[in-house]
Amino acid sequence: AQSVTQLGSHVSVSEGALVLLRCNYSSSVPPYLFWYVQYPNQGLQLLLKYTSAATLVKGINGFEAEFKKSETSFHLTKPSAHMSDAAEYFCAVSDRAGNQFYFGTGTSLTVIP
Amino acid sequence: DTEVTQTPKHLVMGMTNKKSLKCEQHMGHRAMYWYKQKAKKPPELMFVYSYEKLSINESVPSRFSPECPNSSLLNLHLHALQPEDSALYLCASSSRGGNTEAFFGQGTRLTVV
Repeated sequence: AQSVTQLGSHVSVSEGALVLLRCNYSSSVPPYLFWYVQYPNQGLQLLLKYTSAATLVKGINGFEAEFKKSETSFHLTKPSAHMSDAAEYFCAVSDRAGNQFYFGTGTSLTVIP
Repeated sequence: DTEVTQTPKHLVMGMTNKKSLKCEQHMGHRAMYWYKQKAKKPPELMFVYSYEKLSINESVPSRFSPECPNSSLLNLHLHALQPEDSALYLCASSSRGGNTEAFFGQGTRLTVV
């Protein structure tokens, strides 16, 4: 079965500091991995996705993630946090057929001015 | 058009009411989903429709009744709900295949009184 684990339910960073949100996956086959962002009372918006074309994936709003098979990780980073990055972030994995998306428990990012 | 449109945005209903949530997409996606999301939690899968047929029902109580009238529309009929059913209900769609992301609507904030 596919699953993802997000370490740290809350992360606080200062404005301009590095953002690092952790995600580890559990999959017996190469996974399809996604990062989504959710602002209060809104739906989920795709930040980026890994589909095995490249291990370093660039997304929207300056975010990127690196797929590391040896560490079974897909951590999300951004070099410089902005106040507008404050939101809930979800890592997700899909099954091979795309029938289901399995979400991590989420990480709430706070940006301190 | 990469939008998934959900109506209404907010809904307050009594425990004896019957109401429906609606979802529409025009991206040609053949998989559509209903998720339930409680505060500070990840989305929980409720139903998956694939080519207008119900393919996954995650043991959802019968007071929730999904319907997929055509490839662009997805409904969720509600009847005799409980206060604990109050949540954000998210609709999503995707192309078939695991390497494609799910596109989410903005959700319907449901309050059962």
